[in-house]
Amino acid sequence: SQKIEQNSEALNIQEGKTATLTCNYTNYSPAYLQWYRQDPGRGPVFLLLIRENEKEKRKERLKVTFDTTLKQSLFHITASQPADSATYLCALDGSSYKLIFGSGTRLLVRP
Amino acid sequence: DGGITQSPKYLFRKEGQNVTLSCEQNLNHDAMYWYRQDPGQGLRLIYYSQIVNDFQKGDIAEGYSVSREKKESFPLTVTSAQKNPTAFYLCASSIFQGARNEQFFGPGTRLTVL
Repeated sequence: SQKIEQNSEALNIQEGKTATLTCNYTNYSPAYLQWYRQDPGRGPVFLLLIRENEKEKRKERLKVTFDTTLKQSLFHITASQPADSATYLCALDGSSYKLIFGSGTRLLVRP
Repeated sequence: DGGITQSPKYLFRKEGQNVTLSCEQNLNHDAMYWYRQDPGQGLRLIYYSQIVNDFQKGDIAEGYSVSREKKESFPLTVTSAQKNPTAFYLCASSIFQGARNEQFFGPGTRLTVL
């Protein structure tokens, strides 16, 4: 069956380091993959979209990679700050052009 | 300011009652969506609408109903048939339906059944 996996354990890192979050999927062949940020009690906010023919996408301190062979996307935040602490969700296109969301990984950046 | 509004932020319901959650957008988006989020789980799609007067069931539509009479509005009714309605409900919109389009989310409504 189709599955999206994000690490359920929180990632705890020191301010200034690079945070790397993983999104693995099975039994999908997505053409697009998106990343969102969600703060507690609020709606997700779109961050980045990457297409299957793009290996890497950058936006300011954010970088996303998309490896269709490994069926994996990595999400990096460089020079992380306490304000980056949030839950990060990956989402990819499922059937009928719908977005399928992972359960998210919580990031904690210590000052 | 363009965006999506949801109301109310918190909603309490007695068992056996229907309740309607409001979602309004002024982004001029064609597509609108309702998701449910439970602790530790991803967003699950309840209903979606690509255009006015048309909507489709998502993955967990049982016990829910929607309408799309206006482009700006996509209300969700949680009926008494929904067995476990306590959850965080999120409304979203995108310019068109499809995974290449980013979705804009509202602030959410937290529904608690007493």
